[in-house]
Amino acid sequence: EDQVTQSPEALRLQEGESSSLNCSYTVSGLRGLFWYRQDPGKGPEFLFTLYSAGEEKEKERLKATLTKKESFLHITAPKPEDSATYLCAVQAGTGNQFYFGTGTSLTVIP
Amino acid sequence: KAGVTQTPRYLIKTRGQQVTLSCSPISGHRSVSWYQQTPGQGLQFLFEYFSETQRNKGNFPGRFSGRQFSNSRSEMNVSTLELGDSALYLCASSSQVNSGNTIYFGEGSWLTVV
Repeated sequence: EDQVTQSPEALRLQEGESSSLNCSYTVSGLRGLFWYRQDPGKGPEFLFTLYSAGEEKEKERLKATLTKKESFLHITAPKPEDSATYLCAVQAGTGNQFYFGTGTSLTVIP
Repeated sequence: KAGVTQTPRYLIKTRGQQVTLSCSPISGHRSVSWYQQTPGQGLQFLFEYFSETQRNKGNFPGRFSGRQFSNSRSEMNVSTLELGDSALYLCASSSQVNSGNTIYFGEGSWLTVV
């Protein structure tokens, strides 16, 4: 069964304290791995797409990497405005069906 | 370029009633998919439409249905509402259905069933 697991469920960091979020997946025929950010009461906002093992993408303080079994979202020197829930999703099978993890809730303390 | 627009943003319904939610995709996007988000289950795929045809359907009962119009706008309907249907319903659009094509979400419709 296709599955996406994110860890940790929640993470509290001091401002400037770097860390990583993990997304592991077991799907057949991975077509893409996606990272989204979701603020309370809002829809997910697209961050990155990764297609193949070894690929990396960066945006400001965020860097996403992909291996054959997992992806990491590295957060360097986070700021309070980075506080949000970060969702990982994989696209597999036909069409645009995405399988989402339950997310990591990140809190950055000033 | 306007994003995905969902209406209404908030609604409260009584158990047993039905509800219709609306989604206008990003201009030029022809694929629309719907997701249910709850605190315990995360985002669960409901269904996907492309050019007015349902391409995929998730593991939800038949009370959940949808359709897409010729202008790519989409609606989803939930009949005979149950308390467990309370959730954030998210619509996402994409320009195509090819591999690795990004989907972009709207702000969602918050449904509370009492």
